[in-house]
Amino acid sequence: TQLLEQSPQFLSIQEGENLTVYCNSSSVFSSLQWYRQEPGEGPVLLVTVVTGGEVKKLKRLTFQFGDARKDSSLHITAAQPGDTGLYLCAGDSGGSNYKLTFGKGTLLTVNP
Amino acid sequence: KAGVTQTPRYLIKTRGQQVTLSCSPISGHRSVSWYQQTPGQGLQFLFEYFSETQRNKGNFPGRFSGRQFSNSRSEMNVSTLELGDSALYLCASSPTTYNEQFFGPGTRLTVL
Repeated sequence: TQLLEQSPQFLSIQEGENLTVYCNSSSVFSSLQWYRQEPGEGPVLLVTVVTGGEVKKLKRLTFQFGDARKDSSLHITAAQPGDTGLYLCAGDSGGSNYKLTFGKGTLLTVNP
Repeated sequence: KAGVTQTPRYLIKTRGQQVTLSCSPISGHRSVSWYQQTPGQGLQFLFEYFSETQRNKGNFPGRFSGRQFSNSRSEMNVSTLELGDSALYLCASSPTTYNEQFFGPGTRLTVL
């Protein structure tokens, strides 16, 4: 069974601070995705990383895929209250699996 | 394009009853997946359908079933409801590229 461990589980910071959340596994994934979920809504896809060592930037968000494709990180610079939400990573083992494995998420609160 | 729609948004049932949830994917998306989300277990994969065929199934009892129609719309059914089935049920459609999931808002099921 493939597992994705996310840390920290909860994070509460002040507006303007930087933060990093982590997503780790002992399994190799062909691709890894990050989602953000707000209360009462479904998760929204932020980014997909597919190459080991890949770095993608989305405005103030920087995503990195580990060289061995077993882990990933999300760094947010100068966090804003609008960044508040549950951040989920999801791994795709590829092939004919047709299934994503989700971590349990990091609940981020950015206080004004 | 219209997003993924799910009906109903909220549902209250009693133990022993059965329930059917509906999902309409984004136009052109042929893959539909269902997930159960609870605070303790996070997002757990239920099953995935493509062109009316179930390609993968998660570790849920046989009380959980689903189907997909020729227009890609999907339904999931839970029979003999238990208290532990209370959860947010999320449907997601995918264009199949990297199995990226586009989620609906979910159906909040409460079992009393």
